[in-house]
Amino acid sequence: GAGVSQTPSNKVTEKGKYVELRCDPISGHTALYWYRQSLGQGPEFLIYFQGTGAADDSGLPNDRFFAVRPEGSVSTLKIQRTERGDSAVYLCASSASTSGDPQYFGPGTRLTVL
Amino acid sequence: KQEVTQIPAALSVPEGENLVLNCSFTDSAIYNLQWFRQDPGKGLTSLLLIQSSQREQTSGRLNASLDKSSGRSTLYIAASQPGDSATYLCAVRWGAQKLVFGQGTRLTINP
Repeated sequence: GAGVSQTPSNKVTEKGKYVELRCDPISGHTALYWYRQSLGQGPEFLIYFQGTGAADDSGLPNDRFFAVRPEGSVSTLKIQRTERGDSAVYLCASSASTSGDPQYFGPGTRLTVL
Repeated sequence: KQEVTQIPAALSVPEGENLVLNCSFTDSAIYNLQWFRQDPGKGLTSLLLIQSSQREQTSGRLNASLDKSSGRSTLYIAASQPGDSATYLCAVRWGAQKLVFGQGTRLTINP
């Protein structure tokens, strides 16, 4: 079956602009995660959804970052007033449940803020 | 603080060798541990998942072990091939749902 998909694959924007990154999880997966990966580093957790609700948003760096999952499937990560330090690869993952199932990752969106 | 460490950061070996990648974590009360592979410019591919009650998992030429008491996991790759060249990431789940990742080991298999 289809894996996790993310669009766009690359996004170049200017400092101060607003961006939206989209994630389509594996069909039927109830849990969805966003991570951010800087060059040469492991991914860092941003936010986790169980169904439609954000169950843990402790990794969001500040209030410029926001994510939604209105129907419990597709999720959008929104970044306002982008800064150069936001440049990274944004990874989305999903899992079948929250009871120890593996997380499956998408290919990521590479965000570059000029 | 719950942290994951992978040493070395990079490893280069000749084709055909058996090798071991290391992962250590600071808090032994883990929920599970997952090993991933990441090719340049790509997302993460899940290799093996070990639950806290398990000691090891195997998939093909890969074997992952878990020793919670010492805070360590190893990924063993048998008969390495050039196609195994990638960055290998270890990630630990504690009580929360999120994964905490190590920085990865960049593996190069030389033909």
